[in-house]
Amino acid sequence: ILNVEQSPQSLHVQEGDSTNFTCSFPSSNFYALHWYRWETAKSPEALFVMTLNGDEKKKGRISATLNTKEGYSYLYIKGSQPEDSATYLCAFKNGGSQGNLIFGKGTKLSVKP
Amino acid sequence: GAGVSQSPSNKVTEKGKDVELRCDPISGHTALYWYRQSLGQGLEFLIYFQGNSAPDKSGLPSDRFSAERTGGSVSTLTIQRTQQEDSAVYLCASTRDRGDNQPQHFGDGTRLSIL
Repeated sequence: ILNVEQSPQSLHVQEGDSTNFTCSFPSSNFYALHWYRWETAKSPEALFVMTLNGDEKKKGRISATLNTKEGYSYLYIKGSQPEDSATYLCAFKNGGSQGNLIFGKGTKLSVKP
Repeated sequence: GAGVSQSPSNKVTEKGKDVELRCDPISGHTALYWYRQSLGQGLEFLIYFQGNSAPDKSGLPSDRFSAERTGGSVSTLTIQRTQQEDSAVYLCASTRDRGDNQPQHFGDGTRLSIL
């Protein structure tokens, strides 16, 4: 059974703090790694799709890195804002382009003003 | 709107009843996916459509669950004789094609509660 683990499960930070969370996935047969942000009562919104070992992607204050050899990705948020409060999901695709996305349980981030 | 649309947004029903959930994907997206998130769990894959056919139904948890897609567009997920363990948020997503490396576009979901 393929498993995607995310840690921590939840995180509470103060506005202005920088934070990061981890996504671990099986390193064999890697195809792609997705990150999504899911705010309550809204649809999950795509942040990044990463495919290459050593990839680094950035979108505003959010960035992500990828290590496919050891099977992990980090998501960083610099200077957290209350609007960053959401659940951050990672999803792993293996077995080639026709594989399914396998999601982790997410990291729930709460940013206090 | 140009996004994925799901209805209803909330559904409360009694155990044993049938429910039908609807998904209208982004126009031109041939690939459509159904997921569910039960309390404390990650997003769980249910079924994938390519056009009107469903080459991967491996995630459907029991034969009470079925789905169809017509005209390569709207999809309905039907749950017969609902049980309390079916309570979850059901999400639909679409992509232009399954094989590309584009992100999935999700709807807002249907929150299903079985009493």
